[in-house]
Amino acid sequence: SQQGEEDPQALSIQEGENATMNCSYKTSINNLQWYRQNSGRGLVHLILIRSNEREKHSGRLRVTLDTSKKSSSLLITASRAADTASYFCATAGYTSGNTPLVFGKGTRLSVIA
Amino acid sequence: GAGVSQSPSNKVTEKGKDVELRCDPISGHTALYWYRQSLGQGLEFLIYFQGNSAPDKSGLPSDRFSAERTGGSVSTLTIQRTQQEDSAVYLCASSLSSGQSNRFFGPGTRLTVL
Repeated sequence: SQQGEEDPQALSIQEGENATMNCSYKTSINNLQWYRQNSGRGLVHLILIRSNEREKHSGRLRVTLDTSKKSSSLLITASRAADTASYFCATAGYTSGNTPLVFGKGTRLSVIA
Repeated sequence: GAGVSQSPSNKVTEKGKDVELRCDPISGHTALYWYRQSLGQGLEFLIYFQGNSAPDKSGLPSDRFSAERTGGSVSTLTIQRTQQEDSAVYLCASSLSSGQSNRFFGPGTRLTVL
């Protein structure tokens, strides 16, 4: 079963605008990760935020985590056409070792030039 | 390049045939995962290998699906007597053994069952 649920399912914005995607999950987590997928193939890891962190930045990306609401958001600032892709959140639970990540269905972002 | 590689990139087969999908993880990564992604859907976990431990097969959808990992490196996912609903992109990922680290994904194998 899928734990992460992204919102919205699809988002279309103009180049230069900011894009915000949200993710909600159900159970306690060790960390939450965001991935990007182009053209339905391999995923690229974007950023990992641990359960004791509230905000993290990486370039034009900003991720927030609210464990009390079991939600996370991914903000892409000053979007570019090359940001067009599907974005997935994935959660890792509280067990030792590398447990399988549980992915949501993703948000399809279209950035129009 | 030292990324995760998968082969073949595309596979078209007839219903009822067996297929084998291959994954070469990043050298030194002891954890290996297989996921399946149907059109427009999220990733569905299939199986997970960690070092020499018994694999976690909890995500395999039926006994037609099996996977092996030889020598702690290369993995093969086998689907026997393929069905049309098996059509999907099969993604392999690997990660380091320590901690809850991020996964490195391969480009996937697109399987089409006619």
